[in-house]
Amino acid sequence: EVQLLESGGGLVQPGGSLRLSCGVSGGTFNNYVIAWVRQAPGKGLEWVSTINTGGDSTHYADSVKGRFTISRDNSKNTLYLQMNSLRAEDTAVYYCAKEGHSSGDCGNFDYWGQGTLVTVSS
Amino acid sequence: DIQMTQSPSTLSASVGDRVTMTCRASQRISNWLAWYQQKPGKAPKLLIYEASSLESGVPSRFSGSGSGTEFTLTITSLQPDDSATYYCQQYNSYSPTFGQGTKVEIK
Repeated sequence: EVQLLESGGGLVQPGGSLRLSCGVSGGTFNNYVIAWVRQAPGKGLEWVSTINTGGDSTHYADSVKGRFTISRDNSKNTLYLQMNSLRAEDTAVYYCAKEGHSSGDCGNFDYWGQGTLVTVSS
Repeated sequence: DIQMTQSPSTLSASVGDRVTMTCRASQRISNWLAWYQQKPGKAPKLLIYEASSLESGVPSRFSGSGSGTEFTLTITSLQPDDSATYYCQQYNSYSPTFGQGTKVEIK
């Protein structure tokens, strides 16, 4: 079974940076489209970014475009999210999630990590 | 971006009840819709994909229907374990979006 495990969350000041990691085990990582989805405290789910299997195609939500960068290392079965210029509104639990069934443009998410909390506060 | 609107925001029902919730898309999304169940402190769990296909391992009391802009998730006989928040998600476009959720409470 596919398992995802996020790390790297924590407390950061506004304007600061943080890099999240997501280790994936089970199955063939190279074949997976992977995304980051976040959830602010007490709020709903918000898609953040998606990366294709080869790492050469990425998509971002408007709210993070230009500040966040998604990447992957297929040799390490690991996904990353580099977050710069962090704002209070970026405070959330960040989940990595594997894409399941796709429409061709994007997909739903059939496996999720347990999440890592990012708090942006002075 | 495509906006997803769920209703009601909260519903309260008894064990054994039939429960239905709705998700509406701001534009047509064919059947590219998923439903998730999320319990407090846990990651979401995929229940339904392509509007009406049951994900492997999900109890058959869950079912989905709809196409275009209006979709429903039905729980035919509500169980105590079904107490959770349910989210719909469209994946018709490069920017997937979620509804704001429907919280199901057990009376």
